[in-house]
Amino acid sequence: KAGVTQTPRYLIKTRGQQVTLSCSPISGHRSVSWYQQTPGQGLQFLFEYFSETQRNKGNFPGRFSGRQFSNSRSEMNVSTLELGDSALYLCASSLDQGGQPQHFGDGTRLSIL
Amino acid sequence: KNQVEQSPQSLIILEGKNCTLQCNYTVSPFSNLRWYKQDTGRGPVSLTIMTFSENTKSNGRYTATLDADTKQSSLHITASQLSDSASYICVVSAWAGGSYIPTFGRGTSLIVHP
Repeated sequence: KAGVTQTPRYLIKTRGQQVTLSCSPISGHRSVSWYQQTPGQGLQFLFEYFSETQRNKGNFPGRFSGRQFSNSRSEMNVSTLELGDSALYLCASSLDQGGQPQHFGDGTRLSIL
Repeated sequence: KNQVEQSPQSLIILEGKNCTLQCNYTVSPFSNLRWYKQDTGRGPVSLTIMTFSENTKSNGRYTATLDADTKQSSLHITASQLSDSASYICVVSAWAGGSYIPTFGRGTSLIVHP
């Protein structure tokens, strides 16, 4: 069974640009959650999607948004990039709504110049 | 405010030795506690999950304990191996509004030397 797949693995952007990250969950998993990981703050919860609806949201500005498609694949978008957005962005999938991060992908490393 | 504190921040041990990592939390209402292992450049992998009523949970050479009264957990690694070098993250979840709300510790970086 394939694991959680995140693309791209690495990304370099400049301030002010926007970026879209993709996450394909484990087959059959309907919940996808997103996290930001930085050396200073550790892992922080961004949001969770289930059945194409955002079910939960962390304490991040509106520049961070996401969506989920009917096949459970999810995308995360960050607009007007800032230097502080440089981080490892992880997604995780689980079977049910409100599920905990059971299986993580290996993340997208985003660097802002 | 929900918080999870881990100690030590980093730890260096020799191969074959045992070690214990600590996790203290103030998360309410408590639902469960997970320990994850994160290798460099990879996503976290779940080691154990414990609910309020569980005191101990093992996964091979990893043993987690939970004291819900003092809000403390520990992860004990027995007979360490080089492959145990990683970051270990404690995550405590609250159940609210129909979802689990996770609070993450900042992790303990473990280095195992030959």
